[in-house]
Amino acid sequence: NAGVMQNPRHLVRRRGQEARLRCSPMKGHSHVYWYRQLPEEGLKFMVYLQKENIIDESGMPKERFSAEFPKEGPSILRIQQVVRGDSAAYFCASSIQGSIVSPLHFGNGTRLTVT
Amino acid sequence: AQSVAQPEDQVNVAEGNPLTVKCTYSVSGNPYLFWYVQYPNRGLQFLLKYITGDNLVKGSYGFEAEFNKSQTSFHLKKPSALVSDSALYFCAVSPPPDSGGSNYKLTFGKGTLLTVNP
Repeated sequence: NAGVMQNPRHLVRRRGQEARLRCSPMKGHSHVYWYRQLPEEGLKFMVYLQKENIIDESGMPKERFSAEFPKEGPSILRIQQVVRGDSAAYFCASSIQGSIVSPLHFGNGTRLTVT
Repeated sequence: AQSVAQPEDQVNVAEGNPLTVKCTYSVSGNPYLFWYVQYPNRGLQFLLKYITGDNLVKGSYGFEAEFNKSQTSFHLKKPSALVSDSALYFCAVSPPPDSGGSNYKLTFGKGTLLTVNP
């Protein structure tokens, strides 16, 4: 039973380029969450999605960041015109239910480096 | 707003000794509390959670945590540490549904690096 799959594992972008991070949830999970981990900090919630719907994007910067979870295919976190401050580890998690009582299962993360 | 504090950046223990990783929280109402572990270059793995009921919660790999409401703490413990327990440990909190908060949204502490020496 495959866990949460994220790709790429490592992504290097120059300032101004676009970054696309992909996440396939665990089989049977329809709730997806994106978190960001800055160096020496805990994870920060960014966005919560269900299939074709954004439920809560309160943790996501208003500019340059967007997320989707289409009916078919993985969830995508997109960062346009990246800046050095976007360098971080981005983790996707999934759960069976939307309530936090259902534990989050995390992927191995995508480590974005902006040069 | 909810918050989590892990007062120790690092904890070092000898193999076979008991270990404690500390966590205190601040949240309105009764909290949901979690511990996750992160191994190098990996995602977080769920260890245990407190929702309601017994204050002592048992989780994966022999870990347990004690919910102390008066001290607003949720310390992680293990009676006998293993070298393989060496990792980064995160405490997290979420408000319950009846508090009006977003109960699917975890707030994590900064993490405590546990090193178990052979």
